[in-house]
Amino acid sequence: EPEVTQTPSHQVTQMGQEVILRCVPISNHLYFYWYRQILGQKVEFLVSFYNNEISEKSEIFDDQFSVERPDGSNFTLKIRSTKLEDSAMYFCASRALGLAGGETQYFGPGTRLLVL
Amino acid sequence: DAKTTQPPSMDCAEGRAANLPCNHSTISGNEYVYWYRQIHSQGPQYIIHGLKNNETNEMASLIITEDRKSSTLILPHATLRDTAVYYCIVRFQLYGNKLVFGAGTILRVKS
Repeated sequence: EPEVTQTPSHQVTQMGQEVILRCVPISNHLYFYWYRQILGQKVEFLVSFYNNEISEKSEIFDDQFSVERPDGSNFTLKIRSTKLEDSAMYFCASRALGLAGGETQYFGPGTRLLVL
Repeated sequence: DAKTTQPPSMDCAEGRAANLPCNHSTISGNEYVYWYRQIHSQGPQYIIHGLKNNETNEMASLIITEDRKSSTLILPHATLRDTAVYYCIVRFQLYGNKLVFGAGTILRVKS
């Protein structure tokens, strides 16, 4: 069964460093998402991406964040200068192009980011 | 997206049916009901979704009331591996529309 994969599973970085989280969405999917979950808190939406551009972003997704689909398979989240409060699980999700409605987002296993 | 209300936690005996309720009294006619679950800190796992009719798949059944103001997720024979946080999410199926997660229901399956 196709699945979303994410690398690395864990990342430890120093405050102020740049990190890139990578995702390989399900192959025929066209919508891509990043969510995050701070320990003990809710899963929060960050950004959605379609047709090589951001379709929606949350208030969390400020200028320190960027997303890219550098090739036909990868979808990346870059944090330019990490802060302590960026420590969280980051989940990538993807979905197919559903014109009839009811299309489902499928999530990857997540990357645990720890900023020291 | 419509708000949902779920009990914070529930217990269920192993092998018994787990019935998880969700209230979504402000749901509109073109909003779907989705259920996801999250085991420990793993990625949310899709379970089932529906619009008006009851739905069943290999994991669960979804019962939606006729007025669509509430729904119940049924795990027919809960196992210890079903212990997780279960999220009921109501969303309009716009292109690329995000999922808005609440606190969900912590389901504890006990032997």
